[in-house]
Amino acid sequence: AQSVTQLGSHVSVSEGALVLLRCNYSSSVPPYLFWYVQYPNQGLQLLLKYTSAATLVKGINGFEAEFKKSETSFHLTKPSAHMSDAAEYFCAVRTGSARQLTFGSGTQLTVLP
Amino acid sequence: NAGVMQNPRHLVRRRGQEARLRCSPMKGHSHVYWYRQLPEEGLKFMVYLQKENIIDESGMPKERFSAEFPKEGPSILRIQQVVRGDSAAYFCASSPPAGSGTDTQYFGPGTRLTVL
Repeated sequence: AQSVTQLGSHVSVSEGALVLLRCNYSSSVPPYLFWYVQYPNQGLQLLLKYTSAATLVKGINGFEAEFKKSETSFHLTKPSAHMSDAAEYFCAVRTGSARQLTFGSGTQLTVLP
Repeated sequence: NAGVMQNPRHLVRRRGQEARLRCSPMKGHSHVYWYRQLPEEGLKFMVYLQKENIIDESGMPKERFSAEFPKEGPSILRIQQVVRGDSAAYFCASSPPAGSGTDTQYFGPGTRLTVL
């Protein structure tokens, strides 16, 4: 079975500071990993995905994530936070031939002026 | 190319009524997925469908919930005899057919169901 753990349900950073959102996964087979962002009352938008190619994945809006197999992690980072980054972020995993995504419980990012 | 469409965006039902949620996938997509998001939680998989076929319904509650994706028209998630615990946001996602080079799921804006 696969699972995802997002450490920290709420993260606050100052505008211009580094953003680090943590995601650890559990999977018995090589995973596909995703980060989605959800703005209030909207659907999920794909930020980036890892599909066994490069371990450092670059996404939209300046976000990137690094797949570390030894740590079973896929943390999301952005060098400099912007006010518009305030949203909820979800890490998700998919394995093997299964189509469904398994989501973490989400991290609410607040950007302080 | 329009994204995944869901309607209604908001739905209010009284206990015991039926709720019908609709999802039109992106153009060219033949796979549809339904997820439920309870307050303060992440999304939980419910069901995966292709045209006229339910592929995986391992996340569907055993009673009152059903889903279909007919040959023509949108996918429908139907909840019979709703209870307050059904209040949630229901998201639909779609992905391209197998062999298209990607199976990334694209999400709709969701339907927020409130049961009074």
